[in-house]
Amino acid sequence: DAGITQSPRHKVTETGTPVTLRCHQTENHRYMYWYRQDPGHGLRLIHYSYGVKDTDKGEVSDGYSVSRSKTEDFLLTLESATSSQTSVYFCAISLAGEGTDTQYFGPGTRLTVL
Amino acid sequence: GESVGLHLPTLSVQEGDNSIINCAYSNSASDYFIWYKQESGKGPQFIIDIRSNMDKRQGQRVTVLLNKTVKHLSLQIAATQPGDSAVYFCAENTDGNKLVFGAGTILRVKS
Repeated sequence: DAGITQSPRHKVTETGTPVTLRCHQTENHRYMYWYRQDPGHGLRLIHYSYGVKDTDKGEVSDGYSVSRSKTEDFLLTLESATSSQTSVYFCAISLAGEGTDTQYFGPGTRLTVL
Repeated sequence: GESVGLHLPTLSVQEGDNSIINCAYSNSASDYFIWYKQESGKGPQFIIDIRSNMDKRQGQRVTVLLNKTVKHLSLQIAATQPGDSAVYFCAENTDGNKLVFGAGTILRVKS
């Protein structure tokens, strides 16, 4: 699992509430990513980070923000959750710049917005 | 395999047979490709990768073939086992360090 943990692993929340998901890595990788996974859509990139305080938008970034104040933590925030954000969220790290572009994934967070 | 709507393509094979999972990628400029395996309730797990300067790469029981002419990628699994049952995704590196994923193919292994 490349030393990646995600918390919480499961969360149920109500529409309009703020939600923050945490991704933590132990191996000092520079690149980190947040994806969402929905039936029929595979994995879609929400935001990614290429260093502390360096982030950029992915394919489906509307309604999400991220922060990376430390190398080891990448936070995904839903400022006001909507039912369309019910999904499974995966964090990943990349070994880019370390000899390969392979990405490794965390175990996921299942989020349900009622 | 590409998905249609919410239904993923499914490949059913007998235990011990070889499996071939296909993927059509979109960007002729993609230079790196990865196959992932995802079991129910888990994150995608790296299986094997290949760079665009190669046509074939072999791992333990798995082989990836790349045909750049028709933008096609395949994953071959030798002597398929029940533990190989999962969803398999291909991914292509299209833009810097970002991957684009296919929708996946379900592999079911019959004992």
